[in-house]
Amino acid sequence: ELKVEQNPLFLSMQEGKNYTIYCNYSTTSDRLYWYRQDPGKSLESLFVLLSNGAVKQEGRLMASLDTKARLSTLHITAAVHDLSATYFCAVDLGWGGGADGLTFGKGTHLIIQP
Amino acid sequence: GAVVSQHPSWVICKSGTSVKIECRSLDFQATTMFWYRQFPKKSLMLMATSNEGSKATYEQGVEKDKFLINHASLTLSTLTVTSAHPEDSSFYICSARGTDNTGELFFGEGSRLTVL
Repeated sequence: ELKVEQNPLFLSMQEGKNYTIYCNYSTTSDRLYWYRQDPGKSLESLFVLLSNGAVKQEGRLMASLDTKARLSTLHITAAVHDLSATYFCAVDLGWGGGADGLTFGKGTHLIIQP
Repeated sequence: GAVVSQHPSWVICKSGTSVKIECRSLDFQATTMFWYRQFPKKSLMLMATSNEGSKATYEQGVEKDKFLINHASLTLSTLTVTSAHPEDSSFYICSARGTDNTGELFFGEGSRLTVL
Protein backbone atom coordinates (compact mmCIF):
# COMPACT_ATOMS: atom_id res chain seq x y z
CA GLU A 1 0.00 0.00 0.00
CA LEU A 2 1.34 3.38 -1.02
CA LYS A 3 1.90 5.81 1.83
CA VAL A 4 2.55 9.49 1.32
CA GLU A 5 3.80 11.49 4.27
CA GLN A 6 4.05 15.24 4.42
CA ASN A 7 6.03 17.16 6.96
CA PRO A 8 5.20 19.44 8.64
CA LEU A 9 1.42 19.23 8.85
CA PHE A 10 1.11 22.73 10.20
CA LEU A 11 3.44 25.66 9.73
CA SER A 12 3.21 29.22 10.90
CA MET A 13 5.90 31.57 9.65
CA GLN A 14 6.57 35.23 9.16
CA GLU A 15 6.65 37.05 5.88
CA GLY A 16 10.05 37.20 4.30
CA LYS A 17 11.24 33.87 5.68
CA ASN A 18 12.15 30.72 3.77
CA TYR A 19 10.91 27.25 4.49
CA THR A 20 10.65 23.78 2.97
CA ILE A 21 7.81 21.28 3.01
CA TYR A 22 8.77 17.64 2.61
CA CYS A 23 6.89 14.82 0.96
CA ASN A 24 8.06 11.22 1.38
CA TYR A 25 6.42 8.27 -0.29
CA SER A 26 6.78 4.54 0.09
CA THR A 27 6.55 3.08 -3.45
CA THR A 28 8.58 3.75 -6.55
CA SER A 29 7.03 6.45 -8.66
CA ASP A 30 8.37 9.08 -10.99
CA ARG A 31 5.29 11.25 -11.01
CA LEU A 32 4.41 13.62 -8.26
CA TYR A 33 2.16 16.64 -8.07
CA TRP A 34 1.86 19.59 -5.75
CA TYR A 35 -1.47 21.30 -5.20
CA ARG A 36 -2.67 24.32 -3.31
CA GLN A 37 -6.06 24.45 -1.63
CA ASP A 38 -7.67 27.57 -0.22
CA PRO A 39 -10.46 27.24 2.36
CA GLY A 40 -13.69 26.04 0.79
CA LYS A 41 -12.10 25.62 -2.62
CA SER A 42 -10.93 22.76 -4.75
CA LEU A 43 -7.34 22.03 -5.70
CA GLU A 44 -5.14 24.30 -7.75
CA SER A 45 -2.32 22.59 -9.58
CA LEU A 46 1.10 24.04 -8.75
CA PHE A 47 3.68 21.66 -10.13
CA VAL A 48 3.86 18.45 -12.12
CA LEU A 49 7.13 16.58 -11.55
CA LEU A 50 7.68 13.83 -14.07
CA SER A 51 11.19 12.51 -13.59
CA ASN A 52 14.04 12.07 -11.16
CA GLY A 53 15.84 15.34 -10.57
CA ALA A 54 12.97 17.44 -11.86
CA VAL A 55 12.96 20.97 -10.51
CA LYS A 56 10.30 23.53 -11.25
CA GLN A 57 9.88 27.09 -10.05
CA GLU A 58 6.97 29.48 -10.12
CA GLY A 59 7.35 32.77 -8.33
CA ARG A 60 8.34 32.16 -4.72
CA LEU A 61 7.69 28.42 -4.91
CA MET A 62 10.10 25.77 -6.10
CA ALA A 63 9.50 22.03 -6.19
CA SER A 64 11.91 19.18 -6.71
CA LEU A 65 11.73 15.42 -7.01
CA ASP A 66 14.26 12.75 -6.02
CA THR A 67 12.78 9.43 -7.03
CA LYS A 68 15.65 7.44 -5.59
CA ALA A 69 15.08 8.91 -2.15
CA ARG A 70 11.31 8.92 -2.77
CA LEU A 71 11.28 12.51 -1.68
CA SER A 72 9.85 15.72 -3.03
CA THR A 73 10.27 19.17 -1.57
CA LEU A 74 8.33 22.39 -1.92
CA HIS A 75 10.49 25.36 -1.04
CA ILE A 76 9.05 28.74 -0.19
CA THR A 77 11.30 31.76 -0.64
CA ALA A 78 10.63 35.09 1.07
CA ALA A 79 7.12 34.10 2.00
CA VAL A 80 4.23 36.52 1.56
CA HIS A 81 0.80 36.44 3.17
CA ASP A 82 -0.91 35.44 -0.09
CA LEU A 83 0.83 32.07 0.07
CA SER A 84 -1.20 31.10 3.13
CA ALA A 85 -3.09 27.93 2.16
CA THR A 86 -2.99 24.17 2.52
CA TYR A 87 -0.47 22.44 0.28
CA PHE A 88 -0.81 18.82 -0.78
CA CYS A 89 1.61 16.52 -2.49
CA ALA A 90 0.19 13.58 -4.40
CA VAL A 91 1.89 10.55 -5.89
CA ASP A 92 0.72 9.12 -9.17
CA LEU A 93 0.98 5.39 -9.80
CA GLY A 94 -1.64 5.41 -12.49
CA TRP A 95 0.10 6.88 -15.48
CA GLY A 96 0.40 4.38 -18.31
CA GLY A 97 -2.71 2.52 -17.47
CA GLY A 98 -4.46 5.62 -16.29
CA ALA A 99 -6.58 3.48 -14.05
CA ASP A 100 -5.38 4.66 -10.67
CA GLY A 101 -6.06 7.91 -8.92
CA LEU A 102 -3.58 9.90 -6.90
CA THR A 103 -2.58 9.17 -3.34
CA PHE A 104 -2.41 12.36 -1.33
CA GLY A 105 -0.37 13.38 1.64
CA LYS A 106 -2.23 14.76 4.63
CA GLY A 107 -1.48 18.31 3.62
CA THR A 108 0.53 21.13 5.14
CA HIS A 109 -1.53 23.95 6.55
CA LEU A 110 0.60 27.05 6.04
CA ILE A 111 -0.07 30.37 7.74
CA ILE A 112 2.13 33.31 6.86
CA GLN A 113 1.89 36.19 9.25
CA PRO A 114 2.66 39.79 8.32
CA GLY B 1 -5.00 23.23 -19.06
CA ALA B 2 -8.01 21.02 -19.31
CA VAL B 3 -11.21 22.05 -17.54
CA VAL B 4 -13.28 19.84 -15.29
CA SER B 5 -16.59 21.20 -14.06
CA GLN B 6 -18.73 19.99 -11.19
CA HIS B 7 -22.33 20.70 -10.41
CA PRO B 8 -23.77 21.62 -8.00
CA SER B 9 -21.14 23.52 -6.05
CA TRP B 10 -23.04 23.00 -2.84
CA VAL B 11 -26.19 21.22 -1.81
CA ILE B 12 -28.15 20.89 1.40
CA CYS B 13 -30.56 17.99 1.70
CA LYS B 14 -32.61 16.19 4.26
CA SER B 15 -31.54 12.88 5.71
CA GLY B 16 -32.82 9.96 3.67
CA THR B 17 -32.88 11.71 0.32
CA SER B 18 -30.55 11.08 -2.61
CA VAL B 19 -28.26 13.64 -4.18
CA LYS B 20 -26.61 13.54 -7.60
CA ILE B 21 -23.36 15.32 -8.38
CA GLU B 22 -22.18 15.76 -11.95
CA CYS B 23 -18.61 15.93 -13.19
CA ARG B 24 -17.93 17.06 -16.73
CA SER B 25 -14.76 17.33 -18.75
CA LEU B 26 -15.44 20.44 -20.82
CA ASP B 27 -12.75 20.41 -23.48
CA PHE B 28 -11.49 16.86 -23.56
CA GLN B 29 -12.71 13.29 -23.37
CA ALA B 30 -12.07 11.31 -20.23
CA THR B 31 -12.37 7.55 -20.25
CA THR B 32 -11.48 7.55 -16.58
CA MET B 33 -12.57 9.93 -13.87
CA PHE B 34 -11.89 9.77 -10.17
CA TRP B 35 -14.08 10.68 -7.23
CA TYR B 36 -12.55 11.93 -3.99
CA ARG B 37 -14.04 12.84 -0.65
CA GLN B 38 -12.57 15.37 1.74
CA PHE B 39 -13.65 15.90 5.33
CA PRO B 40 -12.92 19.24 7.03
CA LYS B 41 -9.23 19.85 7.59
CA LYS B 42 -8.40 16.43 6.16
CA SER B 43 -6.78 15.23 2.99
CA LEU B 44 -8.48 13.85 -0.09
CA MET B 45 -9.42 10.20 -0.06
CA LEU B 46 -10.03 8.34 -3.29
CA MET B 47 -13.50 6.82 -3.27
CA ALA B 48 -13.75 5.24 -6.66
CA THR B 49 -12.55 5.19 -10.22
CA SER B 50 -15.23 5.84 -12.78
CA ASN B 51 -14.79 4.01 -16.08
CA GLU B 52 -16.72 5.02 -19.17
CA GLY B 53 -19.02 2.27 -20.26
CA SER B 54 -18.25 -0.08 -17.41
CA LYS B 55 -18.66 -0.44 -13.69
CA ALA B 56 -16.82 1.81 -11.31
CA THR B 57 -13.97 0.49 -9.21
CA TYR B 58 -14.45 1.29 -5.53
CA GLU B 59 -11.78 1.68 -2.91
CA GLN B 60 -11.87 -0.53 0.13
CA GLY B 61 -14.42 0.62 2.65
CA VAL B 62 -16.53 2.62 0.21
CA GLU B 63 -20.09 1.33 -0.08
CA LYS B 64 -21.05 0.68 -3.67
CA ASP B 65 -24.75 0.83 -2.96
CA LYS B 66 -24.51 4.14 -1.17
CA PHE B 67 -22.29 5.91 -3.67
CA LEU B 68 -23.58 5.10 -7.13
CA ILE B 69 -21.30 6.09 -9.97
CA ASN B 70 -22.32 6.27 -13.59
CA HIS B 71 -19.99 7.18 -16.44
CA ALA B 72 -22.36 7.21 -19.36
CA SER B 73 -20.25 9.25 -21.77
CA LEU B 74 -16.67 10.31 -22.30
CA THR B 75 -17.37 13.72 -20.78
CA LEU B 76 -19.72 13.00 -17.90
CA SER B 77 -19.55 11.02 -14.69
CA THR B 78 -22.15 11.24 -11.94
CA LEU B 79 -21.97 10.38 -8.26
CA THR B 80 -25.25 9.73 -6.50
CA VAL B 81 -25.27 9.65 -2.72
CA THR B 82 -28.26 7.47 -1.91
CA SER B 83 -30.26 7.73 1.30
CA ALA B 84 -27.89 10.38 2.55
CA HIS B 85 -27.16 10.72 6.25
CA PRO B 86 -25.37 13.49 8.17
CA GLU B 87 -22.15 11.46 8.21
CA ASP B 88 -22.12 11.69 4.40
CA SER B 89 -21.70 15.44 4.65
CA SER B 90 -18.40 16.19 2.99
CA PHE B 91 -16.63 17.91 0.12
CA TYR B 92 -16.72 15.72 -2.99
CA ILE B 93 -14.19 16.39 -5.74
CA CYS B 94 -13.86 14.72 -9.11
CA SER B 95 -10.85 14.64 -11.38
CA ALA B 96 -9.89 13.42 -14.81
CA ARG B 97 -6.65 12.96 -16.70
CA GLY B 98 -5.87 15.39 -19.45
CA THR B 99 -4.96 14.08 -22.86
CA ASP B 100 -1.50 15.59 -23.20
CA ASN B 101 1.65 13.60 -22.57
CA THR B 102 1.95 14.63 -18.92
CA GLY B 103 -1.10 12.66 -17.89
CA GLU B 104 -1.81 15.39 -15.39
CA LEU B 105 -5.05 15.13 -13.46
CA PHE B 106 -7.37 18.11 -13.43
CA PHE B 107 -9.81 18.67 -10.62
CA GLY B 108 -13.35 19.95 -10.57
CA GLU B 109 -14.39 22.80 -8.31
CA GLY B 110 -15.81 20.42 -5.75
CA SER B 111 -19.31 19.90 -4.40
CA ARG B 112 -20.06 20.52 -0.76
CA LEU B 113 -22.80 18.27 0.56
CA THR B 114 -24.53 18.99 3.83
CA VAL B 115 -27.08 16.47 5.06
CA LEU B 116 -29.41 17.71 7.76
